[in-house]
Amino acid sequence: NAGVTQTPKFRILKIGQSMTLQCTQDMNHNYMYWYRQDPGMGLKLIYYSVGAGITDKGEVPNGYNVSRSTTEDFPLRLELAAPSQTSVYFCASSSGLAHEKLFFGSGTQLSVL
Amino acid sequence: AQSVTQLDSQVPVFEEAPVELRCNYSSSVSVYLFWYVQYPNQGLQLLLKYLSGSTLVKGINGFEAEFNKSQTSFHLRKPSVHISDTAEYFCAVRGDYGQNFVFGPGTRLSVLP
Repeated sequence: NAGVTQTPKFRILKIGQSMTLQCTQDMNHNYMYWYRQDPGMGLKLIYYSVGAGITDKGEVPNGYNVSRSTTEDFPLRLELAAPSQTSVYFCASSSGLAHEKLFFGSGTQLSVL
Repeated sequence: AQSVTQLDSQVPVFEEAPVELRCNYSSSVSVYLFWYVQYPNQGLQLLLKYLSGSTLVKGINGFEAEFNKSQTSFHLRKPSVHISDTAEYFCAVRGDYGQNFVFGPGTRLSVLP
């Protein structure tokens, strides 16, 4: 059972560089999410998707983009990396039913220097 | 809209002592309540959830939580903690129409020998 898989686990970027954080799930979940976690701030929702071809902004979408071409994959794109994007990023998925839990990936630790 | 407050950012406790981690929420709609645990360098895992019915909910690893509607609280308790319980704990709410999860800022539990 792979669940939610995120790559890479660690990455260091220079200011202005771009990168894509990959996320894939094998549970056939319709709902997928990207969160960032900063110390003492909990998890903030960046973008989410309720199905292939459908994405929407969360609480902190600026500086990020997403796409959802398949049910399994939900990549997060950083176009012009900034120090404020230094964070730990988590991808998660769920069936979409309100009472169902989120399944989380193991996270990507990103530093922008 | 929903919001979650976790008043204690850090809770140190000695091994085998009881612990309570506090969570308060606000919401204009009925909610489902969750506690997640994050062990070092890992993603979040579900500890327990309250959907309806009995206000005392039992979860994994000996944790339990009590839902108090009048006080809008969902405090997490364990009667005797172990070193292995050292982790960060997040309270989360979700509206019963399937709105996005809202996470609290987290409480870091440190169990001391």
